[in-house]
Amino acid sequence: QKEVEQNSGPLSVPEGAIASLNCTYSDRGSQSFFWYRQYSGKSPELIMSIYSNGDKEDGRFTAQLNKASQYVSLLIRDSQPSDSATYLCAGDTSGTYKYIFGTGTRLKVLA
Amino acid sequence: SQTIHQWPATLVQPVGSPLSLECTVEGTSNPNLYWYRQAAGRGLQLLFYSVGIGQISSEVPQNLSASRPQDRQFILSSKKLLLSDSGFYLCAWSYRLTDTQYFGPGTRLTVL
Repeated sequence: QKEVEQNSGPLSVPEGAIASLNCTYSDRGSQSFFWYRQYSGKSPELIMSIYSNGDKEDGRFTAQLNKASQYVSLLIRDSQPSDSATYLCAGDTSGTYKYIFGTGTRLKVLA
Repeated sequence: SQTIHQWPATLVQPVGSPLSLECTVEGTSNPNLYWYRQAAGRGLQLLFYSVGIGQISSEVPQNLSASRPQDRQFILSSKKLLLSDSGFYLCAWSYRLTDTQYFGPGTRLTVL
């Protein structure tokens, strides 16, 4: 059973701090990874995708991928109360179209 | 730009009643379409996907079915709802099967 695992949280950080969200995956053949943000009662919205080892930055967000360790992370700099949401990690499965989603990490940014 | 619509937004149905949820995509042709279900406290579960009109692949055995009568229309149906069908139903689209998926606003279904 291919899995994507995330700590459910909540992860609480003060406003202005760096929030670090982590995700591990079991399928060593996975190539594509995605971070989605989901506000309570709303649908997931894409934050970032990452395909290569290393870091990818977009504004206050940095995604990090380490395929050797099967580890994906999302850093949010200068966290704001509006960043409070559940963050879903997803990865593709080798040889198929299918994405596997983690259950999400709930982030709370305290003002 | 592309837009994805779902309706209804919320639905409360009795056990044993039928179901029809609709999803439409604007601004792109021949999208890949997906139906997911998100139960409380659980991850997204892929139910169906479609690569074209009339082409449906099922991921999980269940009492749900899907249809794609038009290029940008995807319908999720059931003849008789179960309590376990309650959840947040999400439609998504992508350009290709391995591309980023974009989600619609979702339908929250409660079966009583």
